[in-house]
Amino acid sequence: GAVVSQHPSRVICKSGTSVKIECRSLDFQATTMFWYRQFPKKSLMLMATSNEGSKATYEQGVEKDKFLINHASLTLSTLTVTSAHPEDSSFYICSANPQAGEYEQYFGPGTRLTVT
Amino acid sequence: LAKTTQPISMDSYEGQEVNITCSHNNIATNDYITWYQQFPSQGPRFIIQGYKTKVTNEVASLFIPADRKSSTLSLPRVSLSDTAVYYCLVGGGSGGYQKVTFGTGTKLQVIP
Repeated sequence: GAVVSQHPSRVICKSGTSVKIECRSLDFQATTMFWYRQFPKKSLMLMATSNEGSKATYEQGVEKDKFLINHASLTLSTLTVTSAHPEDSSFYICSANPQAGEYEQYFGPGTRLTVT
Repeated sequence: LAKTTQPISMDSYEGQEVNITCSHNNIATNDYITWYQQFPSQGPRFIIQGYKTKVTNEVASLFIPADRKSSTLSLPRVSLSDTAVYYCLVGGGSGGYQKVTFGTGTKLQVIP
């Protein structure tokens, strides 16, 4: 099956710094990827839809200037958490569809962000 | 996006069959039903997908009644390693790339 990877798997940063998380589709091209955030014992919350070659579409309540998304190629989307604060500590997960019309999404392993 | 409702949690003994039901009353004509499994600190993993009637693969079965307003994920002979959160998602099927909304999920605890 399709494989999606994320890097890093775990990151600790100081408050006020920025952190970049990468999401890669390893064996397929993805013009669209999705970014989720998951707090402990909670469900996944969709943050934004990442579109290759165009601006990301953010869900209501998600600050686009704080969570910068870049989808520069058909296999890579990045999420940058800018000026991170402790409340941004969470589990960030990306996903992608191998092709249009297919509803089966493949999820990355997630990135644990801890802001101290 | 269709909203889904699942039981928050379920317990089952090892070796038993587990059935998790999901309600999705406002499912659209083109929507598919997909179930995912998630272990702690991991991304969700695809289990099974269906549109109507019954779908079976090597790990589970999915039962969908004619009105498609609900669906039931059936896990045969669960083991301790099946302890996880199971999510029912509804959507997609109309072309393009479909974003999905996760519900609360069902936390399955398998007991020895």
